[in-house]
Amino acid sequence: ILNVEQSPQSLHVQEGDSTNFTCSFPSSNFYALHWYRWETAKSPEALFVMTLNGDEKKKGRISATLNTKEGYSYLYIKGSQPEDSATYLCAFRFNKFYFGSGTKLNVKP
Amino acid sequence: DVKVTQSSRYLVKRTGEKVFLECVQDMDHENMFWYRQDPGLGLRLIYFSYDVKMKEKGDIPEGYSVSREKKERFSLILESASTNQTSMYLCASSRGQGVRNTEAFFGQGTRLTVV
Repeated sequence: ILNVEQSPQSLHVQEGDSTNFTCSFPSSNFYALHWYRWETAKSPEALFVMTLNGDEKKKGRISATLNTKEGYSYLYIKGSQPEDSATYLCAFRFNKFYFGSGTKLNVKP
Repeated sequence: DVKVTQSSRYLVKRTGEKVFLECVQDMDHENMFWYRQDPGLGLRLIYFSYDVKMKEKGDIPEGYSVSREKKERFSLILESASTNQTSMYLCASSRGQGVRNTEAFFGQGTRLTVV
């Protein structure tokens, strides 16, 4: 079993706040690191797939960075909106997908 | 529009019943997965299939089996349902390991309650 850890487990922020989450994963035999957003009553959807050390990806107000040598990735949300409320999952891909337990974000209007 | 479809959204079964959860994908993906999601535990892999008739145990295979007779369909079987199998079950599919920049696509989930 590969250990993928996410922190914090949950986060409550006000609309307009910026926030970030951490995903740590095994630094050896790196293949790919994924971020997914999982909204209530919907399926998880991919935000980013990152494969290279130093990768930075951006989608609107959300961005992610990757450090494969030390085994961590950060997800940033700038100016959080209520529609950003969801569980954010990271997954380490090594043949299979190994998921962390997620960070549950609640953005209050 | 890519799709992974699970046969039921909600299911209630009795202890001891044999339960079938079906998953179909229309993307010609090589890999298919079954996960269960429990509060605080994230997504835990039950079984993984990388080709027709090929399967690998995940982290929590006990009490489950799978079947992949066709590329598009991956079935999860609870041989004798127990109350500790009450959970949300998610099916996913993806391209094979050789395609590095590929994501997983998920079904809508089946919330199974065993009474």
